[in-house]
Amino acid sequence: QVQLVQSGAEVKKPGASVKVSCKASGYTFTSYYMHWVRQAPGQGLEWMGIINPSGGSTSYAQKFQGRVTMTRDTSTSTVYMELSSLRSEDTAVYYCARAPRGDDAFDIWGQGTMVTVSS
Amino acid sequence: EIVMTQSPATLSVSPGERATLSCRASQSVSSNLAWYQQKPGQAPRLLIYGASTRATGIPARFSGSGSGTEFTLTISSLQSEDFAVYYCQQYNNWPSMYTFGQGTKLEIK
Repeated sequence: QVQLVQSGAEVKKPGASVKVSCKASGYTFTSYYMHWVRQAPGQGLEWMGIINPSGGSTSYAQKFQGRVTMTRDTSTSTVYMELSSLRSEDTAVYYCARAPRGDDAFDIWGQGTMVTVSS
Repeated sequence: EIVMTQSPATLSVSPGERATLSCRASQSVSSNLAWYQQKPGQAPRLLIYGASTRATGIPARFSGSGSGTEFTLTISSLQSEDFAVYYCQQYNNWPSMYTFGQGTKLEIK
């Protein structure tokens, strides 16, 4: 079945970086875009950026420009999201989510990865 | 930036009754609007896309309507499993921004 399986929870110190993975299975990896969305504790959903696994092109929300990098490995059907210069406000659950096209809704979501930033 | 505003923030409805949730966009998003359901501790689940098309496996009691700037999600007869938080999202601005509303919490009355 189609699924996105994310890496496990992380605890990081302020100023550090975190890299979260999202492994896709059950479909053709390069035929769907992948988004990253985060959710701070008790808060709503915040879009971070999109990657096209076919060519690797990316687009990031302005808020995260310069701090986020999204990459993919087609050999393992995995996308990665790296966020640098972490601060306490980055404490959140990070989700990957698939979309059939760039201009389409997010039809399959990963289970989420909790990232805690604390000194 | 397109701002999505949902109302009300919290909606209290009895099981079996109808629930109507609203979403307004600060500028037209055509029909590029989705609705998601999120239960505690779970990832969001796609309910509606294209403003009115149910996603695979979504029961017929969920329906979406609207275009441009005003959208509605209706749940015709609430079941116990429908009590959750609902988010609208626009995807008209790709690839630069995909904005979510702040959510409506649907709770049991």
